[in-house]
Amino acid sequence: GQQLNQSPQSMFIQEGEDVSMNCTSSSIFNTWLWYKQDPGEGPVLLIALYKAGELTSNGRLTAQFGITRKDSFLNISASIPSDVGIYFCCSGNTGKLIFGQGTTLQVKP
Amino acid sequence: DGGITQSPKYLFRKEGQNVTLSCEQNLNHDAMYWYRQDPGQGLRLIYYSQIVNDFQKGDIAEGYSVSREKKESFPLTVTSAQKNPTAFYLCASSNWTGGREKLFFGSGTQLSVL
Repeated sequence: GQQLNQSPQSMFIQEGEDVSMNCTSSSIFNTWLWYKQDPGEGPVLLIALYKAGELTSNGRLTAQFGITRKDSFLNISASIPSDVGIYFCCSGNTGKLIFGQGTTLQVKP
Repeated sequence: DGGITQSPKYLFRKEGQNVTLSCEQNLNHDAMYWYRQDPGQGLRLIYYSQIVNDFQKGDIAEGYSVSREKKESFPLTVTSAQKNPTAFYLCASSNWTGGREKLFFGSGTQLSVL
């Protein structure tokens, strides 16, 4: 089936550092979503992108929908301890969405 | 409050037993999804439904069954044919206002085999 390749798989950074993660697909999609998941809970939507080239921010988070429509990245600036968690990209066409494998972020105070 | 409710939070299955996971939403969303998450891994799509009385298999449908008799409800049955059912199961619903879809998740059900 269709797949999303998300990288890196994990990151261990110092508080205050910036973080970047990305996701690529083998197909062209019209939706890119980024989620954060805390242990034992459902993922929470961070940013939604629907247009090639679109760049959207949500506080310290910034994400972009790649112009090829096959990739997206998420940046977190000035990381803080509560940024710890698993970040997932999600993409597809309306009605069927799939997920990347996740990026586990750990922040050292 | 509007949202997605999954129950139970924890569920145990005996060998050869079928179990059903509940998912209810009051967001008036047309589409509903079931995903499976294994430790340290991403979410894999089991089944999805875009409208009442219709559903499609996802990437890992074998050993699972669903029904969509009501817009609000999308229960998932883990059958005895699923040989490795231990996982965290997530239900989601979505709207696509103007063609822009967003997924909203429940808090998940942890299924374990006794």
